[in-house]
Amino acid sequence: EVQLVESGGGVVQPGGSLRLSCAASGFTFDDCAMHWVRQAPGKGLEWVSLITWDGVSTYYGNSVKGRFTISRDNSKSSLYLQMNSLRAEDTALYYCAKDCAAGTLDYWGQGTLVTVSS
Amino acid sequence: DIVMTQSPDSLAVSLGERATINCKSSRSVLYRSNSKNYLAWYQQRPGQPPKLLISWASTRESGVPDRFSGSGSGTDFTLTISNLQAEDVAVYYCQQYYTTPRTFGQGTTVEIK
Repeated sequence: EVQLVESGGGVVQPGGSLRLSCAASGFTFDDCAMHWVRQAPGKGLEWVSLITWDGVSTYYGNSVKGRFTISRDNSKSSLYLQMNSLRAEDTALYYCAKDCAAGTLDYWGQGTLVTVSS
Repeated sequence: DIVMTQSPDSLAVSLGERATINCKSSRSVLYRSNSKNYLAWYQQRPGQPPKLLISWASTRESGVPDRFSGSGSGTDFTLTISNLQAEDVAVYYCQQYYTTPRTFGQGTTVEIK
């Protein structure tokens, strides 16, 4: 059974940092690109970042570029999102999702909530 | 960036009737070399993560009921839910995966009339 389990969310002050993790199981992790997508409370989906299967290439949404860093450890079947210089508008539920078929997000985790507030 | 615009923002449909959701991209997501439209549809039920319904604009994922169908090409796409069921109450999103940044439509809420 495919599982993606996010962790690391919490409450952080503006300007602070947080590192999210996503533990993957039930599929061949290093066959797949991986994404982070976020959803502010009561709002729609916003794509955050993508990392290729080998970790060589990374891509970011305009609103997080220069502040967030995506990475992965294929030996641990884990995905990460380092978030720095956090702002109130980064408050959201952060999902990790796998991409094993040319770009679609074919399975999503349950998400981890990040709240940026003083 | 490619902007995805869905219409309507919400609709209420009677059980057993048809729901139609439109999605328009600000530029074509048709890759001419392979004639594929890089357009996906997702369903997000209340309190749940999104679920992939359709890829390549019209290819249903395994296990997705055949009352869900996708159509369109280039910049204009449609998700049709025929014979609406109670479990189809959800927010539906289109997304382009033609280029980065990936972008989603704003979502369309489907409710029962």
